[in-house]
Amino acid sequence: KAGVTQTPRYLIKTRGQQVTLSCSPISGHRSVSWYQQTPGQGLQFLFEYFSETQRNKGNFPGRFSGRQFSNSRSEMNVSTLELGDSALYLCASSLGRTGWTGELFFGEGSRLTVL
Amino acid sequence: QKEVEQDPGPLSVPEGAIVSLNCTYSNSAFQYFMWYRQYSRKGPELLMYTYSSGNKEDGRFTAQVDKSSKYISLFIRDSQPSDSATYLCAMSFQGGSEKLVFGKGMKLTVNP
Repeated sequence: KAGVTQTPRYLIKTRGQQVTLSCSPISGHRSVSWYQQTPGQGLQFLFEYFSETQRNKGNFPGRFSGRQFSNSRSEMNVSTLELGDSALYLCASSLGRTGWTGELFFGEGSRLTVL
Repeated sequence: QKEVEQDPGPLSVPEGAIVSLNCTYSNSAFQYFMWYRQYSRKGPELLMYTYSSGNKEDGRFTAQVDKSSKYISLFIRDSQPSDSATYLCAMSFQGGSEKLVFGKGMKLTVNP
């Protein structure tokens, strides 16, 4: 069974640009979430989607947005990039509420560097 | 004060040692407690999951939750070099949600 796939794995952008990251969840998983990981703040929750609906949102500015498609694939977008947006962006998927065990399946992340 | 506090270490131990990792939290509404392990250049993977207070054992790993003290622990017995990774505690208010609050993670190195 294929794991969570994130693309691109690495990218470099300059301040003011925008970026779109993509996530393909494990087949059959309908819940997708995004996290930002930095050395200073650790893993911080960005948003959670289930069946194309945003269920939860973290404390990030409106420059961070996301969406989920009918096939459960998800994208997140960051506009007007700032230096502090440099981070590893992790996508995770799960079955959702049914049979929840606290287990999120994470991808290997997209490492964004903003210059 | 952050909702979840975890000593970031790093921690270095010899092979075979017993390792104790801890997190404290401030919000008594947390109900679900997890430990994730993250190897270098990989995403985190779930190690242990517990609901409310108590102990849970899985092989060499034991997770403890003390809700009265707002304190959770992970014990690793007979540690192996393959246990070298970053260990993150995580908590959730609500079952079925992917919104987890993570500690910053403790980097563990087990030396052969």
